[in-house]
Amino acid sequence: AQSVAQPEDQVNVAEGNPLTVKCTYSVSGNPYLFWYVQYPNRGLQFLLKYITGDNLVKGSYGFEAEFNKSQTSFHLKKPSALVSDSALYFCALARSSGTYKYIFGTGTRLKVLA
Amino acid sequence: EPEVTQTPSHQVTQMGQEVILRCVPISNHLYFYWYRQILGQKVEFLVSFYNNEISEKSEIFDDQFSVERPDGSNFTLKIRSTKLEDSAMYFCASSELAGGANEQFFGPGTRLTVL
Repeated sequence: AQSVAQPEDQVNVAEGNPLTVKCTYSVSGNPYLFWYVQYPNRGLQFLLKYITGDNLVKGSYGFEAEFNKSQTSFHLKKPSALVSDSALYFCALARSSGTYKYIFGTGTRLKVLA
Repeated sequence: EPEVTQTPSHQVTQMGQEVILRCVPISNHLYFYWYRQILGQKVEFLVSFYNNEISEKSEIFDDQFSVERPDGSNFTLKIRSTKLEDSAMYFCASSELAGGANEQFFGPGTRLTVL
């Protein structure tokens, strides 16, 4: 069965510090992995995706994520957090064939403190 | 920048009533989706739609639910007889191409409250 886990409900980080939001997955076959961000009263906004190739993918707003197949992880990172990064972050999994629906994690609320 | 829009932003209804949630996907997109998020829970897939028919649906998407693309721009989700447990945030999404590699673009959601 496919699943996505975001083990932290909330992550607090000081502005200017590096941030990491964790995501692990379980799937048979090759995964496609995505990060989305949700600001209040807005839809989920696409940040980045891993399809194949380089394990480090770069996305919008200075975010990046590292795909680790052996650890089945896809953690979201940013070298220097901004207060404006405070939002709800979702990791999502799609399979490489068959169904194309997303399976979402439970979300992690990131709070960047000034 | 093109975006997915949804109306209304908040819908309050009485149990047993029919509701229609509306979405306008990005204009050149061909694949459409509905997801829902019950408060405090995961975002869950409901249904995908392509070429005027359902491609896939989840166990949640029972006979009370239906989707339609009534014209070239709108994509609707109808709940025929709402239940209390249908209270959730409903997200519409669209993608240009099929395939898991193609990101889906999400609307802001409609919060449905069933009393």
